[in-house]
Amino acid sequence: QKEVEQDPGPLSVPEGAIVSLNCTYSNSAFQYFMWYRQYSRKGPELLMYTYSSGNKEDGRFTAQVDKSSKYISLFIRDSQPSDSATYLCAMKDTDKLIFGTGTRLQVFP
Amino acid sequence: SAVISQKPSRDICQRGTSLTIQCQVDSQVTMMFWYRQQPGQSLTLIATANQGSEATYESGFVIDKFPISRPNLTFSTLTVSNMSPEDSSIYLCSVEERGRTDTQYFGPGTRLTVL
Repeated sequence: QKEVEQDPGPLSVPEGAIVSLNCTYSNSAFQYFMWYRQYSRKGPELLMYTYSSGNKEDGRFTAQVDKSSKYISLFIRDSQPSDSATYLCAMKDTDKLIFGTGTRLQVFP
Repeated sequence: SAVISQKPSRDICQRGTSLTIQCQVDSQVTMMFWYRQQPGQSLTLIATANQGSEATYESGFVIDKFPISRPNLTFSTLTVSNMSPEDSSIYLCSVEERGRTDTQYFGPGTRLTVL
């Protein structure tokens, strides 16, 4: 079993839709949870960062962490074609960063 | 956040040759990291480069194949040695900003194709 599991997609949605991206993990020691966005032929860009459990909102993006279920989510409201990218979850305890495989998202007009 | 640049952005190399990838940061950072991202796969950590000490390699990666230099707090290089087509990948450097160990910022990556 991988430490971090992420549905690879691809996920295709119409513009304006609410998108839900998810990761599950097995290591209960993870404390720091991140979402990165990676456009084609670019490096990953830090999108959201959450420490421990709870919600964090930034504009159209909301990150949720449920440590009891070992489950994290990223919600994108009013999705735009410019949101089309691969979204990678990542998490960390005190050691290295562990990434999911990424979910490809396509938002069509 | 730190601004990170990498050179070259892409290259096509012949089997058996070596390529050195440079990573430059616009601020002083303690920890720099090198990752490999193969098509359809997650980012895999190759090694951690701490200024003033030898790089620490992850399981499956060795110094002879991926020598790393870290001469100062803003610069690092990764060499991919004696390349084979299996080394075709995107190579990414990342940094932890000073005073923060909870997340990392990434460079744009180097896309390497080995023929």
